[in-house]
Amino acid sequence: DQQVKQNSPSLSVQEGRISILNCDYTNSMFDYFLWYKKYPAEGPTFLISISSIKDKNEDGRFTVFLNKSAKHLSLHIVPSQPGDSAVYFCAAGEGMEYGNKLVFGAGTILRVKS
Amino acid sequence: DSGVTQTPKHLITATGQRVTLRCSPRSGDLSVYWYQQSLDQGLQFLIQYYNGEERAKGNILERFSAQQFPDLHSELNLSSLELGDSALYFCASSVADPGQSDGANVLTFGAGSRLTVL
Repeated sequence: DQQVKQNSPSLSVQEGRISILNCDYTNSMFDYFLWYKKYPAEGPTFLISISSIKDKNEDGRFTVFLNKSAKHLSLHIVPSQPGDSAVYFCAAGEGMEYGNKLVFGAGTILRVKS
Repeated sequence: DSGVTQTPKHLITATGQRVTLRCSPRSGDLSVYWYQQSLDQGLQFLIQYYNGEERAKGNILERFSAQQFPDLHSELNLSSLELGDSALYFCASSVADPGQSDGANVLTFGAGSRLTVL
């Protein structure tokens, strides 16, 4: 039962262009969403989050969009840089009373070509 | 350095054996989470502890167990190991009390322990 799905295993983008990573979820009880980035031989690091009361959150080059009716979120990176090449995980949580655990997608490998 | 320390970084063992993975959370964090990442899989939630008590359980096998000690470090015990247990095991920590209303809880991950079962 995959509650969080990242249907694109990989994405290749030219430096300077926009990278769009997508994520779908099935559990309507999820009320907060996060993106993590992971480099080889390192643990995932937090990138950006969004609460279900918002539809957009921006932090520098990174913007996350949330469409609750479609149960879809996306991460936009503009402009993409070679250092952005990593695995990106989408994660979702369903409220504090469930222990704050996050449900992760399988990840999307982003390659930014210079 | 995320502040979450996991040992060992790499571990190779045989089927049927038992191993213990250790995690020291970031200073000040009371919650510890264990995740498993198998090949080409996302991170699968195993178990969470808050201030020494188990708070949430995921798809953790009965052969696996965990605990959080008074000094807040945690151990994940894997026994009767099978080939399919080969994976990266991540520990993460957060400061949040599961009862808090702040929805922007962020987990800080360690670098992981890579377990290879031969």
